[in-house]
Amino acid sequence: SQTIHQWPATLVQPVGSPLSLECTVEGTSNPNLYWYRQAAGRGLQLLFYSVGIGQISSEVPQNLSASRPQDRQFILSSKKLLLSDSGFYLCAWNWEGRGPEAFFGQGTRLTVV
Amino acid sequence: GDSVTQMEGPVTLSEEAFLTINCTYTATGYPSLFWYVQYPGEGLQLLLKATKADDKGSNKGFEATYRKETTSFHLEKGSVQVSDSAVYFCALTLRVVRGKLQFGAGTQVVVTP
Repeated sequence: SQTIHQWPATLVQPVGSPLSLECTVEGTSNPNLYWYRQAAGRGLQLLFYSVGIGQISSEVPQNLSASRPQDRQFILSSKKLLLSDSGFYLCAWNWEGRGPEAFFGQGTRLTVV
Repeated sequence: GDSVTQMEGPVTLSEEAFLTINCTYTATGYPSLFWYVQYPGEGLQLLLKATKADDKGSNKGFEATYRKETTSFHLEKGSVQVSDSAVYFCALTLRVVRGKLQFGAGTQVVVTP
């Protein structure tokens, strides 16, 4: 069966520190992968998506970057965190043969202090 | 561009009351439409979907009908329970990139005993 794993669940990081959030999926090949951010009291903002290894599309300019080193791995990174990077980060995916919807991981709560 | 507008919350209801959350969209083509639900501290779960005009999506007592003429996809439930307390997101995709969704701002629903 198809599953998605996202970690860590919570993270508290100081301003200026680096960030690495990881998302892995199982059960299918060549999925489409997504990173969303949900700021406090706000909706979901699509940050990055990937349709294949090494293929990254950025939706909004920001302090973050994404990489896809393996087919089923999607990483969200920052070299130096800002206070405004705080939020709830969600990985999502879709795979060949599914409908048009996306399926979400459990999310990472990031607090930058 | 494409967008989703949903009613602001919070919506506070008593148990067994009727729930309606309005959602309208703007899209250049013929989107697929979704409702997702987010329980506190969790990721998003797909609640229901409709992929073409006049389709009705339904799940767990919730329903929504894809109305092309009014560009709407309102969510309804006849008798809510305390366990329905959550944030509800309306979303669309034009299916250009499988799983790439545009979300509304979300509506918080609070059901009291």
